[in-house]
Amino acid sequence: KAGVTQTPRYLIKTRGQQVTLSCSPISGHRSVSWYQQTPGQGLQFLFEYFSETQRNKGNFPGRFSGRQFSNSRSEMNVSTLELGDSALYLCASSLEVNYEQYFGPGTRLTVT
Amino acid sequence: AQKVTQAQTEISVVEKEDVTLDCVYETRDTTYYLFWYKQPPSGELVFLIRRNSFDEQNEISGRYSWNFQKSTSSFNFTITASQVVDSAVYFCALREYGNKLVFGAGTILRVKS
Repeated sequence: KAGVTQTPRYLIKTRGQQVTLSCSPISGHRSVSWYQQTPGQGLQFLFEYFSETQRNKGNFPGRFSGRQFSNSRSEMNVSTLELGDSALYLCASSLEVNYEQYFGPGTRLTVT
Repeated sequence: AQKVTQAQTEISVVEKEDVTLDCVYETRDTTYYLFWYKQPPSGELVFLIRRNSFDEQNEISGRYSWNFQKSTSSFNFTITASQVVDSAVYFCALREYGNKLVFGAGTILRVKS
């Protein structure tokens, strides 16, 4: 089976712009989660979707949003980018909620 | 609130040494899940193990073994006869039933030849 794929892999944006990141889960997986990884804050949970419904949400401002489509693919959007949003954004999928999550390679976002 | 503590920020060992990575967790739930992930220099997080709160049996997989002790809220990970390829950041994580997955800060393991 193909693993979790994320596009794009690298992105450079300017402060104030918005960005959309995409994630395709492992075939058959219905749950998708998003994380932000930075050297200072470590791995922080953004949100989790299951069958197109947001199940859990982390402590991030409303500028961070996401959605899941009927084919389980997911997107996350960050509006009005700030320098502090520079990070590795990781997507993970699992068969069901509470099961082990399998991670994609991540999208490295740099905000200048 | 759920919390994971990995007190060891960085560990350096010489190849073939055994090494144990500590993980202490906090939760008030009776149903929860514990995980270990490996993040090699390439960056992609690799799933290693999942344990539920009702299964305290220790597990061995090749050179890897895990010791789950509810009495001390610990889920430690031991690598026997370490190899250079084991060099990575290792994360312990906790998930209360239905809640989000929470990661520890990670332990950097450096294995020198």
